[in-house]
Amino acid sequence: GAVVSQHPSWVICKSGTSVKIECRSLDFQATTMFWYRQFPKQSLMLMATSNEGSKATYEQGVEKDKFLINHASLTLSTLTVTSAHPEDSSFYICSARVRLPLVRSFGPGTRLTVL
Amino acid sequence: DQQVKQNSPSLSVQEGRISILNCDYTNSMFDYFLWYKKYPAEGPTFLISISSIKDKNEDGRFTVFLNKSAKHLSLHIVPSQPGDSAVYFCAASGILHTQGGSEKLVFGKGTKLTVNP
Repeated sequence: GAVVSQHPSWVICKSGTSVKIECRSLDFQATTMFWYRQFPKQSLMLMATSNEGSKATYEQGVEKDKFLINHASLTLSTLTVTSAHPEDSSFYICSARVRLPLVRSFGPGTRLTVL
Repeated sequence: DQQVKQNSPSLSVQEGRISILNCDYTNSMFDYFLWYKKYPAEGPTFLISISSIKDKNEDGRFTVFLNKSAKHLSLHIVPSQPGDSAVYFCAASGILHTQGGSEKLVFGKGTKLTVNP
């Protein structure tokens, strides 16, 4: 149980385009989801926390206008990388809170490559 | 400034022996610690956790030790199996604090464990 899926698993896009990544909780409802980014040989860095039906909370240094998060339902959160640039190339992972405290399920991640 | 440090990027052990993965932290507000295992092309999966009121937590072959004075924790896997080969992430949170407690997880960079048959 508590499975989280992400789509797509990888994407290659041209610089300047926007990319949407979906995160779904398959067998449970997730009121809170977390978006992480991981650069090669680096740790998972929290980008933002999204709560169903409300605005996301962004971590310091993360541009909210560039990384648009929408948590419109209890099973779906989306991250849109707007006007992507090569420096946005990274591994993006979402996580959903299963129950308190700190019990999380992680998605398999999305590899974004911006040319 | 990295608050959670896993100084060994990789570790190689023989099947049946003990694997010891280390993690250090700098933030004294951290009071809950977790270990995650990650296989390639998959998301991290929860392995074991420990709160600051304990110094040891055991679950089957996995034991986590916490030394609060040294701000150090370690994960022991005994006996190690080839299927344990993965990247192990240490994560910390200050959730138990009554004031300003946060469920935000801070991750280390991970240690790649290879268990050789």
